[in-house]
Amino acid sequence: GENVEQHPSTLSVQEGDSAVIKCTYSDSASNYFPWYKQELGKRPQLIIDIRSNVGEKKDQRIAVTLNKTAKHFSLHITETQPEDSAVYFCAASQSGTASKLTFGTGTRLQVTL
Amino acid sequence: DGGITQSPKYLFRKEGQNVTLSCEQNLNHDAMYWYRQDPGQGLRLIYYSQIVNDFQKGDIAEGYSVSREKKESFPLTVTSAQKNPTAFYLCASSMKKNGNYGYTFGSGTRLTVV
Repeated sequence: GENVEQHPSTLSVQEGDSAVIKCTYSDSASNYFPWYKQELGKRPQLIIDIRSNVGEKKDQRIAVTLNKTAKHFSLHITETQPEDSAVYFCAASQSGTASKLTFGTGTRLQVTL
Repeated sequence: DGGITQSPKYLFRKEGQNVTLSCEQNLNHDAMYWYRQDPGQGLRLIYYSQIVNDFQKGDIAEGYSVSREKKESFPLTVTSAQKNPTAFYLCASSMKKNGNYGYTFGSGTRLTVV
């Protein structure tokens, strides 16, 4: 089955700096890679996703890059703000018969003033 | 609240008891999932169902059971065979549409063994 590794487990940045979270996956058949943000005590929410037919996707201050050859993908947050503080999860899945997601272990991002 | 409702929010179980966690969605999603969240371990898949009356084991199904009698409902039973049930349980649903598989999560149930 799929295995997703995520690094770092914790990340502290100053407000205004950039943050990068990296994930690797094991199954070359995976083709859908979403990122979720979970604020303290709340449910995970999808913030951005990328499919294997593109290498990069941006949405305002958030971007995701995908390297299929190396089987890794990354989340980039620019101009970080205190409200970006949360736990971020990457995930991977295959299209087709099973759309179940395999999640990474999460990164706790702390944006300090 | 987001179209997928989990209840109760907090649940306490005595040793040897079975408990059932409720998950209901009104999003008309075909697929539903149960994940367990433990500190430092991310979200691990317990069971999932892609269609009514059918479900598959995930990575950590031992000690759990599910049913999918209705499209809207996917209850999870934590049995006494689950040795370490204290955790945060998240239900999710998704609909394959235009190649997208984004999950909608419920607000979770925190189960504690007392």
